[in-house]
Amino acid sequence: NAGVTQTPKFRILKIGQSMTLQCTQDMNHNYMYWYRQDPGMGLKLIYYSVGAGITDKGEVPNGYNVSRSTTEDFPLRLELAAPSQTSVYFCASSYGTGEAFFGQGTRLTVV
Amino acid sequence: KNQVEQSPQSLIILEGKNCTLQCNYTVSPFSNLRWYKQDTGRGPVSLTIMTFSENTKSNRRYTATLDADTKQSSLHITASQLSDSASYICVVTNLGGGADGLTFGKGTHLIIQP
Repeated sequence: NAGVTQTPKFRILKIGQSMTLQCTQDMNHNYMYWYRQDPGMGLKLIYYSVGAGITDKGEVPNGYNVSRSTTEDFPLRLELAAPSQTSVYFCASSYGTGEAFFGQGTRLTVV
Repeated sequence: KNQVEQSPQSLIILEGKNCTLQCNYTVSPFSNLRWYKQDTGRGPVSLTIMTFSENTKSNRRYTATLDADTKQSSLHITASQLSDSASYICVVTNLGGGADGLTFGKGTHLIIQP
């Protein structure tokens, strides 16, 4: 019953550092998403993927990169971290445009 | 531009009382509307989905309504419990929008006081 698993749960980065947020799902969902949630704001789509080998930009892709080499995994890469990337990041997956299942989130602080 | 507006932003009620949360949207063409519950420090979890032809749907103490003509939805919580304290997010999917066709509201932060 793992569902969508994100790691790490918390991370503090210094400005200019890089990191990868990991996301894996065991439901054989074809769609996967990365969102960020800033305080008092709705979730904003960073990148999404409709299947292995296919990725596309969402609403706020700048400063991020993704890859989807397998159905299960959808890592999010931050290059040259900036304070504006301080946020809570959620990975989600779905079968088509059906119900999205979310991970527990990664709280990232850039100082 | 597709938008989802939720009200109120926050709400505090006493345990055992009822409350109603509102969601207005301008997403077109409309496919479906979901209400998600997000506990503090957790990811959102789907409560219910409303399609174009559905007016009312209940899930335990949660009742969602949809008026596709006025583009409004509500989530009514009956006999609130402390565990209902959470953010409730309205998400509207536009028809044919694909994986980027979801528009999220900012949520209503609900606090249940004993």
